[in-house]
Amino acid sequence: ETGVTQTPRHLVMGMTNKKSLKCEQHLGHNAMYWYKQSAKKPLELMFVYNFKEQTENNSVPSRFSPECPNSSHLFLHLHTLQPEDSALYLCASSQTGREFAQETQYFGPGTRLLVL
Amino acid sequence: QKEVEQDPGPLSVPEGAIVSLNCTYSNSAFQYFMWYRQYSRKGPELLMYTYSSGNKEDGRFTAQVDKSSKYISLFIRDSQPSDSATYLCAMNSGGYQKVTFGIGTKLQVIP
Repeated sequence: ETGVTQTPRHLVMGMTNKKSLKCEQHLGHNAMYWYKQSAKKPLELMFVYNFKEQTENNSVPSRFSPECPNSSHLFLHLHTLQPEDSALYLCASSQTGREFAQETQYFGPGTRLLVL
Repeated sequence: QKEVEQDPGPLSVPEGAIVSLNCTYSNSAFQYFMWYRQYSRKGPELLMYTYSSGNKEDGRFTAQVDKSSKYISLFIRDSQPSDSATYLCAMNSGGYQKVTFGIGTKLQVIP
């Protein structure tokens, strides 16, 4: 399998549930990212991992907890979410992660999350 | 005032038309300006980036930055139905700091 894969593709959860989103990249990249895309709102960069180390956390609430066990895998652990957290969660990877603007990021298809 | 303003559209044009997509911004610290294309049910893909002011051309696409007006544009020449997508502008001051996206403009090119 090539590119960036994400599982599950769709997820419905209650506010008291705990779930995890998984991302895997098969491109040999060293940087991975989580984004949130809500309807009628701009794309938001949530977390950046560079060589497994978290280098950016854009003021994301603690109910979102990322984990990067190695350069190929990225998780987003979810707990006690709110209905306004319903969105498309996109994972991406890039070669080095050194300069956001200059480096092509490869995106996965996203997980569409609905919080009831 | 939003940090980045972008008209969500939709913008409908006939095939072959020149398309102009624009964003305005308020943060004078922004130095890098990017354009992404996002097809329905897909993740965004980077089309072009520009550092500071000026023009950059890549095939049918031209990115233009006017820092004095805090205004950026993406021009698409000879538009094709395959250009139908949502176009997102993004900008930051370098590294990963304050990467801010526009809401995206939905473009439809009609054959």
